[in-house]
Amino acid sequence: NAGVTQTPKFQVLKTGQSMTLQCAQDMNHEYMSWYRQDPGMGLRLIHYSVGAGITDQGEVPNGYNVSRSTTEDFPLRLLSAAPSQTSVYFCASSKTSGGASGELFFGEGSRLTVL
Amino acid sequence: AQTVTQSQPEMSVQEAETVTLSCTYDTSESDYYLFWYKQPPSRQMILVIRQEAYKQQNATENRFSVNFQKAAKSFSLKISDSQLGDAAMYFCAYRSPLSGTYKYIFGTGTRLKVLA
Repeated sequence: NAGVTQTPKFQVLKTGQSMTLQCAQDMNHEYMSWYRQDPGMGLRLIHYSVGAGITDQGEVPNGYNVSRSTTEDFPLRLLSAAPSQTSVYFCASSKTSGGASGELFFGEGSRLTVL
Repeated sequence: AQTVTQSQPEMSVQEAETVTLSCTYDTSESDYYLFWYKQPPSRQMILVIRQEAYKQQNATENRFSVNFQKAAKSFSLKISDSQLGDAAMYFCAYRSPLSGTYKYIFGTGTRLKVLA
């Protein structure tokens, strides 16, 4: 039972570097999303996707890119890392069809530090 | 736009006692989903309980129950017989059921401490 798998779990970057956070799910979920979690601010939506080839912006999309070429994968790209992007990132997925209740299934999170 | 407010940044409860975590939300929709998620120190987000707005009956999962007051837009979580393993961050979340609208709105969280 893999569920939602995120890699890497920890990453340290220098300002200006780029990187990709990987997310894969094996539950055939249509909906996938990325959140960042900062102290006192809860979880804020960065980008989301409701199916392969379809993505949309969330609350805090600036500085991040996503693509959804398959149902299973939803990578998050940091184009030019900034200290303000130091955070814990969560990938989450959900089924949207067939009367699904909409429960989000989360990965274990990725702690990113930008120096 | 919908908002979710958790006004208690931190709560404490004695082991075996009962505690209630508050959540209010703002929406103009009549049907929606509400959730409570638990985040223990391991960082993994775990669903505690869910409520569909069209259901008047309050959801219950073992020691966890909600008090859903639709008119007041309130969705509090009651934890009975608190255990040390209940210590965690708890997040309230809202989701619209409308097709094509899959944004989940989270509150800022309440940190629950359980005292032995």
